[in-house]
Amino acid sequence: EVQLVESGGGLVQPGGSLRLSCAASGFTFTNYWVHWVRQGPGKGPVWVSRIHTDGTTTNYADSVKGRFTISRDNAKKTVYLQMNSLRVEDTAVYYCLVITVGWGQGTLVTVSS
Amino acid sequence: DIQMTQSPSSLSASVGDRVTITCRASQGISNSLAWFQQKPGRAPKSLIYGASNLQSGVPSKFSGSGSGTDFTLTISSLQPEDFATYYCQQHSTYPLTFGGGTKVEIK
Repeated sequence: EVQLVESGGGLVQPGGSLRLSCAASGFTFTNYWVHWVRQGPGKGPVWVSRIHTDGTTTNYADSVKGRFTISRDNAKKTVYLQMNSLRVEDTAVYYCLVITVGWGQGTLVTVSS
Repeated sequence: DIQMTQSPSSLSASVGDRVTITCRASQGISNSLAWFQQKPGRAPKSLIYGASNLQSGVPSKFSGSGSGTDFTLTISSLQPEDFATYYCQQHSTYPLTFGGGTKVEIK
């Protein structure tokens, strides 16, 4: 069964950090780019970041550039999103996405004092 | 960034109806277009990628077509479980961008 399972979300104060994980199974993980997409309360989805199959190429939305870092461990079939200097406006459900495979179930990040 | 314009933003339909949703890209994206369904409080569910390729496990009542800038998602016979919000998404270039969504409601 194809699965993408996110974890690592939670409540954090502004300026804090979190690391999200996306664990993949059921498909050849090393063949695919992996994306992070977030969705704020009552809003549409917004792309955040992506990482190439071998981790050598990464891209970020302007809103998170310099604060978020995407990485992957192909041996563990896991992609990470290190989120630093978090802002209230980063509050959202964060999903990992593989275009031809599907979406994870999401993990909620709440940035609030 | 490529802008994705979906229409309509909402529609009311009856069980058994044929429903068509359109998506237009602000520039050509070849066939790099995906559709997904989202129900309230739930994660998105992929339906179609590459404009017309059905995701594994998705019923054949869903179909996609188009190329370049104009795309459609068709649900051949609407069922109660299909009432949801549908989004298009281009995966031609980053940043990936999404349409504004189409909410399909019960008439």
